[in-house]
Amino acid sequence: GAGVSQSPSNKVTEKGKDVELRCDPISGHTALYWYRQSLGQGLEFLIYFQGNSAPDKSGLPSDRFSAERTGGSVSTLTIQRTQQEDSAVYLCASSFTGNTEAFFGQGTRLTVV
Amino acid sequence: GENVEQHPSTLSVQEGDSAVIKCTYSDSASNYFPWYKQELGKGPQLIIDIRSNVGEKKDQRIAVTLNKTAKHFSLHITETQPEDSAVYFCAALGAYKYIFGTGTRLKVLA
Repeated sequence: GAGVSQSPSNKVTEKGKDVELRCDPISGHTALYWYRQSLGQGLEFLIYFQGNSAPDKSGLPSDRFSAERTGGSVSTLTIQRTQQEDSAVYLCASSFTGNTEAFFGQGTRLTVV
Repeated sequence: GENVEQHPSTLSVQEGDSAVIKCTYSDSASNYFPWYKQELGKGPQLIIDIRSNVGEKKDQRIAVTLNKTAKHFSLHITETQPEDSAVYFCAALGAYKYIFGTGTRLKVLA
């Protein structure tokens, strides 16, 4: 596609439910990043993929968070047993190699009620 | 650990004036420094970037300067317009990870 696409754009879920957030990177980009942005805050690194591998998962806040990437393309971020503090905008970015310009999607706004 | 400090957190300027946002990074291995503009409800948009082998780069009303010795880099916006109002983030790229500053909310007053 023309840009990084994320879905859904908005998600409201009940506390304790699981959610899946999807990222479709720019075609041909091997590097993919997930960041979290809480209201009015900066961008918190969650995980980095190079191809299908995740050499850096250091930013995942707890074992309720996991991510995978298949076919070197689409990535899914899964949050299990959601908590209210998980409410944030989850941003995905991709770049050609991991050492070039990174382009962001529009984000998924997650609200846990 | 790696860290990027960004100042100021908020900045108000009159339309037509210049705006300057400054960042300092800690990882001396960082070699690429992008700037992003984020409008309300949207993802960050890359507006300009600079690599460690140059000291300055300009694109119309926007310029970025880099001082590798001091580990400082700055964004300069001249002749500001109301549509420049947004949150601006600096970032530093090490081996593969982007570390972001905490953002500057720029308000251009008409």
